Amino acid sequence: KNQVEQSPQSLIILEGKNCTLQCNYTVSPFSNLRWYKQDTGRGPVSLTIMTFSENTKSNGRYTATLDADTKQSSLHITASQLSDSASYICVVSFNTGGFKTIFGAGTRLFVKA
Amino acid sequence: DSGVTQTPKHLITATGQRVTLRCSPRSGDLSVYWYQQSLDQGLQFLIQYYNGEERAKGNILERFSAQQFPDLHSELNLSSLELGDSALYFCASSPLAGGKNEQFFGPGTRLTVL
Repeated sequence: KNQVEQSPQSLIILEGKNCTLQCNYTVSPFSNLRWYKQDTGRGPVSLTIMTFSENTKSNGRYTATLDADTKQSSLHITASQLSDSASYICVVSFNTGGFKTIFGAGTRLFVKA
Repeated sequence: DSGVTQTPKHLITATGQRVTLRCSPRSGDLSVYWYQQSLDQGLQFLIQYYNGEERAKGNILERFSAQQFPDLHSELNLSSLELGDSALYFCASSPLAGGKNEQFFGPGTRLTVL
């Protein structure tokens, strides 16, 4: 069964600290993996996208990694800011009789001063 | 600003009613996606249109329908509304139909069914 699981469900960190969010998937055949940031009540915004051959992608203080062998991805946030408080969603696309996309449930990050 | 617009921003209606949500994709994007996000839940894919034709279907109820018009804007019709249909409805667009395309999300329509 094609699934995307994210952990932890929620996370509280202090401003300035680093954190890592996890995404495991059982999708096949894999096409690409994206991380989105969603502020409360707003539409998701893409942070990174990686294909099978890419194992790391950065966007400012956000760095995503991908291990296609173990089907795991992580999103590392460096020097967190209050504005990083949001839900982070892992999205995996696969191609089986047409492209399909599965959204993870997200990790809700709270950055405290 | 993603370039995707959705109207209305908020909608309050009663059970049993029918509503229409509207989405205008980014200029040049041919593909439109609709998603439902209930309170504190993840995004649920409903349906995708590409250049006027239905491309993929997700967990869309039979009471819901959508279409994409020649000018590429899309409408999501929700009928016989139930309390459980209260949610944020997002529209996204992408240049092409394939999964490699980044999807750009609109600000959403918040639907409240009383």
